[in-house]
Amino acid sequence: GESVGLHLPTLSVQEGDNSIINCAYSNSASDYFIWYKQESGKGPQFIIDIRSNMDKRQGQRVTVLLNKTVKHLSLQIAATQPGDSAVYFCAENGGTASKLTFGTGTRLQVTL
Amino acid sequence: NAGVTQTPKFRILKIGQSMTLQCTQDMNHNYMYWYRQDPGMGLKLIYYSVGAGITDKGEVPNGYNVSRSTTEDFPLRLELAAPSQTSVYFCASRSGLAGVETQYFGPGTRLLVL
Repeated sequence: GESVGLHLPTLSVQEGDNSIINCAYSNSASDYFIWYKQESGKGPQFIIDIRSNMDKRQGQRVTVLLNKTVKHLSLQIAATQPGDSAVYFCAENGGTASKLTFGTGTRLQVTL
Repeated sequence: NAGVTQTPKFRILKIGQSMTLQCTQDMNHNYMYWYRQDPGMGLKLIYYSVGAGITDKGEVPNGYNVSRSTTEDFPLRLELAAPSQTSVYFCASRSGLAGVETQYFGPGTRLLVL
């Protein structure tokens, strides 16, 4: 079946730098995408989402970019802080509102 | 609101034992989900429910059962525990309103089957 995948399993960035976490998706029917942050020992926490009728959406220090032409999603974190260290998952809905398909995750490590 | 709560936090089972993982949400959400997360992996959907009395299989339902007798509760049942069911289990919910697809997760139940 179609799946969501990530390019990099681990990303290491210095505190204060910007982080970019990438995600490739293959289900062209997906019209909703979401990013979650998961800290060690905790459940996934919603960060930001985007619909397929948008290319970009901004939140507080985070931006999600969607490129439907190449089926690519990215999460940008500005001025990365130690508290941003976590595993980040992208997910897509596969065109159905009732379910999400998750990628394997990228671990973000923030160095001082 | 407490959001999504799960009990227990951690459990060790012997092969062949059974147990029920509890999940409760106080947000009056129609949709509820059970996922499992193996080490270093993403979340795989086990079962989900779109409302009380309605359940459906996800990607990996074998070895599990669910019920949804109330809007608030969505227990997951393991009848004959196997080592392959060692994982972290997450429950999630979403409102079901049109255009609102964000799922909110509980803190997880860590299960070890020996």
